[in-house]
Amino acid sequence: AQTVTQSQPEMSVQEAETVTLSCTYDTSENNYYLFWYKQPPSRQMILVIRQEAYKQQNATENRFSVNFQKAAKSFSLKISDSQLGDTAMYFCAFMKYWETSGSRLTFGEGTQLTVNP
Amino acid sequence: DAGVIQSPRHEVTEMGQEVTLRCKPISGHDYLFWYRQTMMRGLELLIYFNNNVPIDDSGMPEDRFSAKMPNASFSTLKIQPSEPRDSAVYFCASSLETGFGEKLFFGSGTQLSVL
Repeated sequence: AQTVTQSQPEMSVQEAETVTLSCTYDTSENNYYLFWYKQPPSRQMILVIRQEAYKQQNATENRFSVNFQKAAKSFSLKISDSQLGDTAMYFCAFMKYWETSGSRLTFGEGTQLTVNP
Repeated sequence: DAGVIQSPRHEVTEMGQEVTLRCKPISGHDYLFWYRQTMMRGLELLIYFNNNVPIDDSGMPEDRFSAKMPNASFSTLKIQPSEPRDSAVYFCASSLETGFGEKLFFGSGTQLSVL
């Protein structure tokens, strides 16, 4: 079974600064996908960024980028130029490559990020 | 498309009562997932369907929980009888496929409080 661990329950950052959220995972699979989802106070789960394990290049989406270290099973999220709207719970998630009947998404415990003005 | 629609948004009930949560996935999505979110256990997958057929219900906590998907546009999660420990946010999500890194689209969740 796959496990996802986020060791930082809470973090805070000043507006316009950069923050990095950590995530580690455990799997015996070679092909898989990793995600960061954001959950603001509205409760809506929003996909932030996605990484394919077979790609060495780190994914980037505007101010959001990841540092994917496959050998270390590490998948951190960097948020640059933090904005007040980035305040949310952030979840790291793992999806195993396709099985016969599809594959589930396994989430970490979450990191509550607060951006301070 | 309006996205994944869940109802009700909030539900308050008394212990022992039956609770039914509803979900309308995005049209054309073949996979539907039910997740439960609590402070203690985080986000847990309860069950998921492929083309209206339950594929994996190993996350369903006990026999008091049941889920159905009578057609491609509707699913229910039922708790009978409800208990205070069932209090949580229940999310429904849908996707075109799963296992190929596709995005899950989540509903806004149902906040369930069992008194």
